[in-house]
Amino acid sequence: DTGVSQNPRHKITKRGQNVTFRCDPISEHNRLYWYRQTLGQGPEFLTYFQNEAQLEKSRLLSDRFSAERPKGSFSTLEIQRTEQGDSAMYLCASSLYPRGETQYFGPGTRLLVL
Amino acid sequence: AQTVTQSQPEMSVQEAETVTLSCTYDTSESNYYLFWYKQPPSRQMILVIRQEAYKQQNATENRFSVNFQKAAKSFSLKISDSQLGDTAMYFCAFMNRGSQGNLIFGKGTKLSVKP
Repeated sequence: DTGVSQNPRHKITKRGQNVTFRCDPISEHNRLYWYRQTLGQGPEFLTYFQNEAQLEKSRLLSDRFSAERPKGSFSTLEIQRTEQGDSAMYLCASSLYPRGETQYFGPGTRLLVL
Repeated sequence: AQTVTQSQPEMSVQEAETVTLSCTYDTSESNYYLFWYKQPPSRQMILVIRQEAYKQQNATENRFSVNFQKAAKSFSLKISDSQLGDTAMYFCAFMNRGSQGNLIFGKGTKLSVKP
């Protein structure tokens, strides 16, 4: 069991650029979650997938954000036309539904928008 | 909407002593889970302990235990025999079992264990 992995670990970009992050969940996990964590705050839910279906999106997820999980394995989160307010840690988590409620987190991708 | 409140932004404890972190939550649901996650500096978040709301018995994991008071909507974490490696941010989180399963987190408590 290799755990949840995320790439890249760090990303610095200029305002207006597009960025894409990748998350590889624990292999047998069918649910995959994206969260955003800003400094001094707890993580906030963005969206989640069950297999390849995106089942819920938070109001935090503006139109500039899009997430995919095309084959029900890894997922990507893309931010278009980045803004300074997008600077945060983006966390991915996975779980096995319905057999387990515990979400296992990856190390996160820290985004800095200049 | 559910909310989770951690009223202690920072705490410190001497090595080998006991510390209790507080968490309260607000929900109208009856079937849910509560979690404590630990996030060490520059490291990933890991599960410390979890509690199913329908279980009256408080969960325990080695040096970590919870005091779950359902009527008061309180879920505190007790760390016994604190170790330097316990230094981390601790987040309390709520999950409504009937929902899609996203976690709702508190703002966290920064715990420092001093030698």
